[in-house]
Amino acid sequence: QKEVEQNSGPLSVPEGAIASLNCTYSDRGSQSFFWYRQYSGKSPELIMSIYSNGDKEDGRFTAQLNKASQYVSLLIRDSQPSDSATYLCAVRYNFNKFYFGSGTKLNVKP
Amino acid sequence: DAGVIQSPRHEVTEMGQEVTLRCKPISGHNSLFWYRQTMMRGLELLIYFNNNVPIDDSGMPEDRFSAKMPNASFSTLKIQPSEPRDSAVYFCASSSQGGRETQYFGPGTRLLVL
Repeated sequence: QKEVEQNSGPLSVPEGAIASLNCTYSDRGSQSFFWYRQYSGKSPELIMSIYSNGDKEDGRFTAQLNKASQYVSLLIRDSQPSDSATYLCAVRYNFNKFYFGSGTKLNVKP
Repeated sequence: DAGVIQSPRHEVTEMGQEVTLRCKPISGHNSLFWYRQTMMRGLELLIYFNNNVPIDDSGMPEDRFSAKMPNASFSTLKIQPSEPRDSAVYFCASSSQGGRETQYFGPGTRLLVL
């Protein structure tokens, strides 16, 4: 069974702070890694993808991947109340199969 | 591009009735996924298709659930007979099979079985 683990939270941070979200996965055969954001009552939307070890930055978001330790993280700088949502980590394996974590709920307090 | 289209957006039905959910993937995508999301169990993969062929249906909860993809632009998920524990949000997603393409989700169908 391929597993993707996330802390369910909620993670509370003050506005303007850095939010750090973490995800671990069980299978070293994982190929691609994604972070989705899901607002209450909405569908998941892709915010970041990462494929190689290291950091990938996009605006206020930075994804970090460490394949040796089998974890992927998402940093959100200058957190805004509009970032309050559930963040889902997803891992893609062979044959185009995706596994999702249960999500971390983030609350950004004004 | 219109994105993934799902219908209906909301469905309320009575226990024992047949429910059919519909999905149109993004044009050009050759993989289609059906998920179910509940507070208790999170996002669960039910079944996925590559090139209209079911590849993995191990997530389908029981024989009451069936899914078809008769062509590249249409898929259905059917529940017969429906039960109150089937109440959930059902998402359809599509992606390209090759490369590093991710999945794109439809808006979901919110199902309530009374």
